[in-house]
Amino acid sequence: NAGVTQTPKFQVLKTGQSMTLQCAQDMNHEYMSWYRQDPGMGLRLIHYSVGAGITDQGEVPNGYNVSRSTTEDFPLRLLSAAPSQTSVYFCASRPAGGGDTQYFGPGTRLTVL
Amino acid sequence: GEDVEQSLFLSVREGDSSVINCTYTDSSSTYLYWYKQEPGAGLQLLTYIFSNMDMKQDQRLTVLLNKKDKHLSLRIADTQTGDSAIYFCAENPGGSYIPTFGRGTSLIVHP
Repeated sequence: NAGVTQTPKFQVLKTGQSMTLQCAQDMNHEYMSWYRQDPGMGLRLIHYSVGAGITDQGEVPNGYNVSRSTTEDFPLRLLSAAPSQTSVYFCASRPAGGGDTQYFGPGTRLTVL
Repeated sequence: GEDVEQSLFLSVREGDSSVINCTYTDSSSTYLYWYKQEPGAGLQLLTYIFSNMDMKQDQRLTVLLNKKDKHLSLRIADTQTGDSAIYFCAENPGGSYIPTFGRGTSLIVHP
């Protein structure tokens, strides 16, 4: 299994540009989520999904959209990038059922100029 | 991350024990987790403890849980330079499958 994969690893955008961060998992996990990590702020939940066709907002959803058309993929869209969205983005997945951990991808480092 | 509190930094000498502390707020959390993040990498689960346990030991790692005080600690025995990383405490409030993370504690191990 490849686990959780994210692309790209690095990205530089200009203010106002849009882009999609890709996330895929091959473990047939029901739950997937997106976090951003900022210095001194830890991990903050952006959006999550409990299954294909179901998404919900996390702590900091503004400026981001998600969709979950398949179990495997959970892309994160930045609609109009802003410097405040400069961060490291992590995708995670986990199976349904209690106790199991989340599996994290390697992250995407995004800089918005 | 406001519901899970950790100190931001800890510095220890190689060979000493490290103790990283965490406080959480939701007494209904059924699992509490410790994750490790090495530089430039994602988070990896280090260990977790079920809420009806007081202690869990796994090789050099000892997790202590005080439910009354909502306090969780991670002890690393014989700390090595390879243990230098950021350690995140996490809870799953209300049994949620989406854990809430603390801000992370940067562990620095020096010779």
